[in-house]
Amino acid sequence: RKEVEQDPGPFNVPEGATVAFNCTYSNSASQSFFWYRQDCRKEPKLLMSVYSSGNEDGRFTAQLNRASQYISLLIRDSKLSDSATYLCVVNDQAGTALIFGKGTTLSVSS
Amino acid sequence: DTAVSQTPKYLVTQMGNDKSIKCEQNLGHDTMYWYKQDSKKFLKIMFSYNNKELIINETVPNRFSPKSPDKAHLNLHINSLELGDSAVYFCASSQELLSSHTFGSGTRLTVV
Repeated sequence: RKEVEQDPGPFNVPEGATVAFNCTYSNSASQSFFWYRQDCRKEPKLLMSVYSSGNEDGRFTAQLNRASQYISLLIRDSKLSDSATYLCVVNDQAGTALIFGKGTTLSVSS
Repeated sequence: DTAVSQTPKYLVTQMGNDKSIKCEQNLGHDTMYWYKQDSKKFLKIMFSYNNKELIINETVPNRFSPKSPDKAHLNLHINSLELGDSAVYFCASSQELLSSHTFGSGTRLTVV
């Protein structure tokens, strides 16, 4: 099992749609979880941290399921500007580095 | 002010050459990193530096060497460049080792 796995997509949705991404991780002892966003030919940027109780930031909601070792990202009322690649990030088994998933590509169309 | 800045933005060079990429952060972070993103967009950690000490060194060729003159700078030196080194290299920093990273805008290296 890879350390961090994501469905690469692409997810093609219309504006206003709700879309959800899942990510599974292999290290049951992981403590650090994030979602990053990367636009084409740009650097990754932090979208949100993921907390055990789940957290929300505007249209974005992140959930953590430790028992099943997955995290999710829900985007409500999708905007054209949400089109990007979303990277799931978890700390490694040694607890010394963050491991980035390969990303899920989202394309929002009008 | 750019939080994490790296130069150059683009670098085209011939096989066998030696090159350096510079990185500076003005966030006061304790840890800096170098990542490599290949053509398949996979972002992989290369090095981490915490208070000038190398704390992670993934299995990268020893042709790659990080150098940190101070806490705010982490430069990447690459010797004897090979075609397979072509990629985008990102510098990043964070307050602590496993806290969220702030990335530089990347250096697109092309070896011909």
